[in-house]
Amino acid sequence: GAVVSQHPSWVICKSGTSVKIECRSLDFQATTMFWYRQFPKQSLMLMATSNEGSKATYEQGVEKDKFLINHASLTLSTLTVTSAHPEDSSFYICSARDASRGQNIGGSNQPQHFGDGTRLSIL
Amino acid sequence: SQQGEEDPQALSIQEGENATMNCSYKTSINNLQWYRQNSGRGLVHLILIRSNEREKHSGRLRVTLDTSKKSSSLLITASRAADTASYFCATDAGQGTALIFGKGTTLSVSS
Repeated sequence: GAVVSQHPSWVICKSGTSVKIECRSLDFQATTMFWYRQFPKQSLMLMATSNEGSKATYEQGVEKDKFLINHASLTLSTLTVTSAHPEDSSFYICSARDASRGQNIGGSNQPQHFGDGTRLSIL
Repeated sequence: SQQGEEDPQALSIQEGENATMNCSYKTSINNLQWYRQNSGRGLVHLILIRSNEREKHSGRLRVTLDTSKKSSSLLITASRAADTASYFCATDAGQGTALIFGKGTTLSVSS
């Protein structure tokens, strides 16, 4: 089945450093990937939509200069948390749609494929 | 952004009992999905129900969808301790858009 690999799964770093998280679709092509953030005991909040070959679309309230998204290929999207601070500590999860499934009503009735998440702790 | 509420926020039951969780949403959807998340882990896809379906079964899971009320329910029958997790509904508006998650229900099943 379709697999999305997210790396790293866990990272601890000092305040002020930048952290890059990778999201790869292993056996399918993904023109669109999504990045979510989840704080403890809360739900997943959509941060941005990552489009291959174009700029990401950010949700309201998400700083695009803080959370840099690059989707340079059909199988890889990266999220870089720049100058991370303790309040950026969270669980980050990516998901991807299989481009071969199509975007119309019938084709989109497929579950998205989620990575296992990255737990980011900023000291 | 989030679609809406799930209730209850927390549910504690004994093994063997049934657990029912409800989800409400606000916008038109193409399908609605339910996911499970164990503490500190990623998401596990449970079931997808299309907007033209009213009920769907998968093993011990039963999902209903009422598009007129913009609500869905997830029933887990004969619950087990291993069912202890957080459960989220997520709506898919289609056309390549992101899933939008509900706030979730935390289920605790004691043996």
